Amino acid sequence: QQQVKQSPQSLIVQKGGISIINCAYENTAFDYFPWYQQFPGKGPALLIAIRPDVSEKKEGRFTISFNKSAKQFSLHIMDSQPGDSATYFCAAKTKWGSQGNLIFGKGTKLSVKP
Amino acid sequence: NAGVTQTPKFQVLKTGQSMTLQCAQDMNHNSMYWYRQDPGMGLRLIYYSASEGTTDKGEVPNGYNVSRLNKREFSLRLESAAPSQTSVYFCASRDGDRDTDTQYFGPGTRLTVL
Repeated sequence: QQQVKQSPQSLIVQKGGISIINCAYENTAFDYFPWYQQFPGKGPALLIAIRPDVSEKKEGRFTISFNKSAKQFSLHIMDSQPGDSATYFCAAKTKWGSQGNLIFGKGTKLSVKP
Repeated sequence: NAGVTQTPKFQVLKTGQSMTLQCAQDMNHNSMYWYRQDPGMGLRLIYYSASEGTTDKGEVPNGYNVSRLNKREFSLRLESAAPSQTSVYFCASRDGDRDTDTQYFGPGTRLTVL
């Protein structure tokens, strides 16, 4: 119940295309869903996050879509660029204030071809 | 403002040797974390500290010990290194603000145990 399942494991997209990464969870107590971006040789960094009271959140070319009934959320990268090539991790966490820790998916390695 | 710093950046150990990974943050965060990252396994929590003076086990604590030296510093110790502990280790600290709830990661320590 604590797992977050992420797919695909790797993704190759042409420059200008749309990258889509999916995550699914079981624990209905999760109420915070961030995405982290990690470049080679660096630590992960928060990219965008959503709470289940909204179905979509957009920041520039990055959008999280959230489906509470299906217990799924996804990251969409519009107009993908070679600079977006990185590993992306979805994560989930239980309610703020409970010291619930982040549960990470296993990551998706995105390569954007010029 | 350096964020989260980790030392050393790289380390090679022989089986049975011990070492301590150091982590410090200058963001006045209460919570700090140690993760390990292995190919295809995502980020797995080793230990965390919700506040100065407290530590708790995460998903994979065996073979590790931690010390929360003060609010800034959180160290990870391998008492008798094993090849299975070859990994990249990340320290993180958490902004516990309800609206952001962000974990900030250090640059990582790449450890090889021969």
